Amino acid sequence: GESVGLHLPTLSVQEGDNSIINCAYSNSASDYFIWYKQESGKGPQFIIDIRSNMDKRQGQRVTVLLNKTVKHLSLQIAATQPGDSAVYFCAETYSGAGSYQLTFGKGTKLSVIP
Amino acid sequence: DAGVTQSPTHLIKTRGQQVTLRCSPISGHKSVSWYQQVLGQGPQFIFQYYEKEERGRGNFPDRFSARQFPNYSSELNVNALLLGDSALYLCASSTADGRGGEKLFFGSGTQLSVL
Repeated sequence: GESVGLHLPTLSVQEGDNSIINCAYSNSASDYFIWYKQESGKGPQFIIDIRSNMDKRQGQRVTVLLNKTVKHLSLQIAATQPGDSAVYFCAETYSGAGSYQLTFGKGTKLSVIP
Repeated sequence: DAGVTQSPTHLIKTRGQQVTLRCSPISGHKSVSWYQQVLGQGPQFIFQYYEKEERGRGNFPDRFSARQFPNYSSELNVNALLLGDSALYLCASSTADGRGGEKLFFGSGTQLSVL
């Protein structure tokens, strides 16, 4: 399938190392955030979410950090594996908008070196 | 359980034609949204429907329309296709009541090519 990673920022990491992917969001009123993983030819896959009343949330091998002061999100992947190679998007939404609209960031292509 | 399913997976049309894309949400999900993803960019919101009513519309021309059926499935229609409509069209569903703040799950998309 066509690559979704064309012209995106790229992060290259060695297998087994930790990865950190950063995202700046745009709306200071956003109160819910999601990280998605997208492999070539597939739709975005839910990884982890966080609400604005939290600053950290952990999942299996992944951690999301939220800094509302500077409108910054990060996704940390522990012990990165070749299967983690994909494009990662952060997305934000404001639940008071009356409709459910996600605004996606630009995306980061993660390449894992075996 | 089946995830969000979309059909067709690929479609080739010529300029000026019309296209209909179809989506079935995850069982139990009443909210369906449509997104357009141009190569190299993140998805952009087109529409959200909840209980057959349009809850939100993104910045897309009137050539784009959608509807949701009583079984919560949805169709996206695009009229008078332009070359710039070539993109991956994604459908997503959630249990949300239309106000957001819930996990949104995506299908694999329909890759539309306009020649």
